[in-house]
Amino acid sequence: KAGVTQTPRYLIKTRGQQVTLSCSPISGHRSVSWYQQTPGQGLQFLFEYFSETQRNKGNFPGRFSGRQFSNSRSEMNVSTLELGDSALYLCASSEGGGLGGYTFGSGTRLTVV
Amino acid sequence: QKEVEQDPGPLSVPEGAIVSLNCTYSNSAFQYFMWYRQYSRKGPELLMYTYSSGNKEDGRFTAQVDKSSKYISLFIRDSQPSDSATYLCAMSANNAGNMLTFGGGTRLMVKP
Repeated sequence: KAGVTQTPRYLIKTRGQQVTLSCSPISGHRSVSWYQQTPGQGLQFLFEYFSETQRNKGNFPGRFSGRQFSNSRSEMNVSTLELGDSALYLCASSEGGGLGGYTFGSGTRLTVV
Repeated sequence: QKEVEQDPGPLSVPEGAIVSLNCTYSNSAFQYFMWYRQYSRKGPELLMYTYSSGNKEDGRFTAQVDKSSKYISLFIRDSQPSDSATYLCAMSANNAGNMLTFGGGTRLMVKP
């Protein structure tokens, strides 16, 4: 069974640009959550999508957005990139019920220069 | 002050030692507690998942939750060099919505 796949693995962008990251969940999983991981703040919840609807949202500015498609694949977008957006962006998928089956991908390392 | 506090380490132990990792939290609404292991350049991997107070054992790993003290622990017996990683505690107020609050992680090094 394939795991959670995130693409691309590494990305370098310039301040002010926008970026789109992709996450393909485990087959059958309908919930996809996104997290930002930085050395200073650790792992912070961005948002969660379930059946194409945003179900929860963390405390991030509106520059961070996401969406989920009918096949459960999800994308997150960051507009007007800032240096502080440099981080590892992780997505996690689950069937949509409990937390026990929560599985993370390996992440996308975004560097903003 | 963060909702979940975790000593960043690094914690260095000899192979075979018992390791104790801990987190404290401030939000009394947390009921679901998890421990994740994260290797370098990888995503977190779920190790233990417990609900409310009590102990749970799985192989060399034991998770303890003391809700009255807002304190959770992970014990690793017979530690191995392959256990060297960052250990993250995570918590949630409910079992739906999948919104976890993480500690900052403790880096563990097990020396052969």
